[in-house]
Amino acid sequence: RKEVEQDPGPFNVPEGATVAFNCTYSNSASQSFFWYRQDCRKEPKLLMSVYSSGNEDGRFTAQLNRASQYISLLIRDSKLSDSATYLCVARGNTGGFKTIFGAGTRLFVKA
Amino acid sequence: DVKVTQSSRYLVKRTGEKVFLECVQDMDHENMFWYRQDPGLGLRLIYFSYDVKMKEKGDIPEGYSVSREKKERFSLILESASTNQTSMYLCASSATLVISGSYDIQYFGAGTRLSVL
Repeated sequence: RKEVEQDPGPFNVPEGATVAFNCTYSNSASQSFFWYRQDCRKEPKLLMSVYSSGNEDGRFTAQLNRASQYISLLIRDSKLSDSATYLCVARGNTGGFKTIFGAGTRLFVKA
Repeated sequence: DVKVTQSSRYLVKRTGEKVFLECVQDMDHENMFWYRQDPGLGLRLIYFSYDVKMKEKGDIPEGYSVSREKKERFSLILESASTNQTSMYLCASSATLVISGSYDIQYFGAGTRLSVL
């Protein structure tokens, strides 16, 4: 079982749709969580950190559920420019601060 | 703005060649990382370094070595390239969080797509 698992997609949605991605992690010692965005043939870039209380940045909302060990990302009012791969990341705060990346969820937003 | 620069975007090498991938960051970050990214597998850590001349194995170090002689530069070396090392290689750097001592957010270079024939 992978330490961080994501639905690979692809998710194909029309502009304006709301789309949600889930990610599960197996290491209960993980302390910090992030969503990265990776455009085709480009490097990953931080989209947002995920806080225990949940956090929002414009059209993007991230949630953390420690009891169930999953992280979610909600995108509202999807834009064509949101088309990318979204990587879920979990990091521990001990033992070398191991950072594990999920394989990513592919999103296509179409007009 | 953080900048992580990888020396080549595309490389084609032959089996058995020694390959050097170079990475330079301009933010005085303590930590630097080398990953490879393959479809369906995500990013896998090869090696990382938390200080000059220091290195730690990641999850898949076999067939690779690294060098960090200067703080801003982290090199990945394939001693004898093999076809199963054909991949996208990503370098990243991060600062160290003062409070926890853990790694801050990682910033990535544009990647080097290596093909070994």
